[in-house]
Amino acid sequence: QVQLVESGGGLVKPGGSLRLSCAASGFTFSDYYMSWIRQAPGKGLEWVSYISSSGSTIYYADSVKGRFTISRDNAKNSLYLQMNSLRAEDTAVYYCARDQRQYYYDSRVISWFDPWGQGTLVTVSS
Amino acid sequence: SYVLTQPPSVSVAPGKTARITCGGNNIGSKSVHWYQQKPGQAPVLVIYDDSDRPSGIPERFSGSNSGNTATLTISRVEAGDEADYYCQVWDSSSDHPVFGGGTKLTVL
Repeated sequence: QVQLVESGGGLVKPGGSLRLSCAASGFTFSDYYMSWIRQAPGKGLEWVSYISSSGSTIYYADSVKGRFTISRDNAKNSLYLQMNSLRAEDTAVYYCARDQRQYYYDSRVISWFDPWGQGTLVTVSS
Repeated sequence: SYVLTQPPSVSVAPGKTARITCGGNNIGSKSVHWYQQKPGQAPVLVIYDDSDRPSGIPERFSGSNSGNTATLTISRVEAGDEADYYCQVWDSSSDHPVFGGGTKLTVL
């Protein structure tokens, strides 16, 4: 079945770096956009970044732009998030999610997330 | 950036109907998606494209969208429906997805 499994979370000091991975299975990974979405403790969902199926199109939330880098390896069915210059406010559970993207002739975009991985916790603290 | 507004909490008795709203400027012109998140678990898609249900989601879950409000309706509410619910749309002005703040559904 379709499955996403994140790894790489942990405790890191402010200013440090961490690389998250997401292993995909059960679907043709190279056909789909993928996203990272995070959730701070007790808070709501915040989209972080997305990458197109080929990796040629990438967007970031303003809160992480210039510090985080999303990438993918379609040969390995894997998605990555390199996180540098980490701050306390980056503390969150990070989810990878398959992006069900549709583009219409009038430039309208429809995009939803299904499925989601189980998440990996990143804690930024001294 | 586009803002989605959800009530922080909604309470409903078992067997009754719960309605969770998601407000946004002319949201009726957008496609709205809904996620259910139970404590300690990842979100699960329950409604996409305003009113479509993924396979495996009970028919008790339905969605509508018009004007400035989208609504997730859960009929014949069960104790197992107690969860946080999030709405989400695509913000064409910023070219990225946006989530509402979430609504905690309590089954009395």
